[in-house]
Amino acid sequence: GNSVTQMEGPVTLSEEAFLTINCTYTATGYPSLFWYVQYPGEGLQLLLKATKADDKGSNKGFEATYRKETTSFHLEKGSVQVSDSAVYFCALSDRAAGNKLTFGGGTRVLVKP
Amino acid sequence: GAVVSQHPSRVICKSGTSVKIECRSLDFQATTMFWYRQFPKQSLMLMATSNEGSKATYEQGVEKDKFLINHASLTLSTLTVTSAHPEDSSFYICSAPQGDRGYGYTFGSGTRLTVV
Repeated sequence: GNSVTQMEGPVTLSEEAFLTINCTYTATGYPSLFWYVQYPGEGLQLLLKATKADDKGSNKGFEATYRKETTSFHLEKGSVQVSDSAVYFCALSDRAAGNKLTFGGGTRVLVKP
Repeated sequence: GAVVSQHPSRVICKSGTSVKIECRSLDFQATTMFWYRQFPKQSLMLMATSNEGSKATYEQGVEKDKFLINHASLTLSTLTVTSAHPEDSSFYICSAPQGDRGYGYTFGSGTRLTVV
């Protein structure tokens, strides 16, 4: 079956530091890949997505590239802000699996001023 | 953009009572709705998939009689937690896909259920 593995947190950074959250996946078909962000007490918001190999998703300074050869979709941001403190979820959807989203375990990121 | 409105955002209920959570798609037709449960500091666990006009599909280990899902129309899906117990306390989130190619999903804002 499909699965997503992402690095465990929490990740604690200082403001303006570089952030990387690793994500790797296993899928039977050709998945779309997503990063979602969840702020305290809220639902999930789509941060970025990539629908095919070598696509790069980007939003709000975050980037992730769909790497089929390494089955990875690592999230990066060059300079984090306190407002980036949240939980980040890597996920995939696979049409062969009815387009259900499969989530990674989530990575909590805390940015200190 | 597409919006899924989820209500209530928070609910506290007594053990043994039932609680209904609603998810409405506001500006699109949601033929499918995914229902997730999230325990504190954990990831989202898919509970079931509801489809308008047909029975919901439950994931393995999810009690159908406890978590009743109804997809009454193209814009409304409901989850009813029946005879709630403290172990049902959790964060419940719904999500609707846009289109059939898995390219986009809109999430509700979640419901924090506390059973006392």
